[in-house]
Amino acid sequence: DVKVTQSSRYLVKRTGEKVFLECVQDMDHENMFWYRQDPGLGLRLIYFSYDVKMKEKGDIPEGYSVSREKKERFSLILESASTNQTSMYLCASSLTFLAHSTDTQYFGPGTRLTVL
Amino acid sequence: DAKTTQPPSMDCAEGRAANLPCNHSTISGNEYVYWYRQIHSQGPQYIIHGLKNNETNEMASLIITEDRKSSTLILPHATLRDTAVYYCIDHSGGGADGLTFGKGTHLIIQP
Repeated sequence: DVKVTQSSRYLVKRTGEKVFLECVQDMDHENMFWYRQDPGLGLRLIYFSYDVKMKEKGDIPEGYSVSREKKERFSLILESASTNQTSMYLCASSLTFLAHSTDTQYFGPGTRLTVL
Repeated sequence: DAKTTQPPSMDCAEGRAANLPCNHSTISGNEYVYWYRQIHSQGPQYIIHGLKNNETNEMASLIITEDRKSSTLILPHATLRDTAVYYCIDHSGGGADGLTFGKGTHLIIQP
């Protein structure tokens, strides 16, 4: 089974702090994604990566950056946390960049971040 | 915005089949129908996907109409642990496209 793990289930930070959210997948997937999920707004893509050191902006990249130094690890960084970044953050991975009938996204358990 | 339409909520008795409908009338030829579910405070879980043929796996069955404008997810013997929000998505399946979840159907399994 694919396993996607996230470093924390719950996190509380203060406004202005630098926050690191870590995600690790163990299935040698090429693609990794960071989403945030908010009530009434659904799932929104922040950034994705299709290879080591490669990254692409999603729909809402402002206020975030990412790092992918190793294939299995994708980090989301909040440079200066703000209260409107309080949310559930979800990491996902999928096998290949190419269109493929079984290229399913597998999600981690999520990190619920509260910024005070 | 999500391109699929689902009822906001449904109830089902434990042990019975749960049938969750989804309309995806604007689905294009290369887009698959994917189903995910999300149990409260957890990450979404992949259930099943299909293109035009009906599909079955250990979790569920997926029935897609011939015109591909709608589908039904069937959980054959629902248990209390199947209580979750179920999302139907039309997606090209590959590449690095982000998933767009709509509001989904909140399925409540009643004891």
